[in-house]
Amino acid sequence: ETGVTQSPTHLIKTRGQQVTLRCSSQSGHNTVSWYQQALGQGPQFIFQYYREEENGRGNFPPRFSGLQFPNYSSELNVNALELDDSALYLCASSNGGGLHTEAFFGQGTRLTVV
Amino acid sequence: EDQVTQSPEALRLQEGESSSLNCSYTVSGLRGLFWYRQDPGKGPEFLFTLYSAGEEKEKERLKATLTKKESFLHITAPKPEDSATYLCAVGRNRDDKIIFGKGTRLHILP
Repeated sequence: ETGVTQSPTHLIKTRGQQVTLRCSSQSGHNTVSWYQQALGQGPQFIFQYYREEENGRGNFPPRFSGLQFPNYSSELNVNALELDDSALYLCASSNGGGLHTEAFFGQGTRLTVV
Repeated sequence: EDQVTQSPEALRLQEGESSSLNCSYTVSGLRGLFWYRQDPGKGPEFLFTLYSAGEEKEKERLKATLTKKESFLHITAPKPEDSATYLCAVGRNRDDKIIFGKGTRLHILP
């Protein structure tokens, strides 16, 4: 098992609400990336945080935002939830702010928007 | 446009029947190509990183190879526990975005 933990594991929200997902990175890792995975699809890159700064973003609207803390843990915030936001949200931890090192994923948070 | 295409979408094999999964990619400035295994309801598990054409890596019954246009994941004498979705992803030089394929669902029958 990796040392990446995500919370909560499952969440049900109503359309229009806001949600915060959390991720603790693996010890020694300074980079956290967030992905959205719809059923039957590959993960889609949302954004990456390196040493508390956003370091790359995918094609997601501004209502998807994030934070990284001094201990390198991270949060993903989604405002004004839409039904299409229902997905598995994955956090990946790596070291170095780039892709020359392996990224290790948490078990994910299953978000259902009703 | 940068993209990753995996084939086949699904593959059923008998235990011991070797095969290969394909990952074709188009990316301007490949930083690395990654293979992951994903079990239902879980996060992807890292398998390999390949950086340049001609590179090969092995782990147990799995072997990954890379050319300038595609990567193959060869599975030799698979067992039922190898059943999973195998994901291919590429990273590009100009930013930190990783692009995943949709995956190949592999089912090994005992």
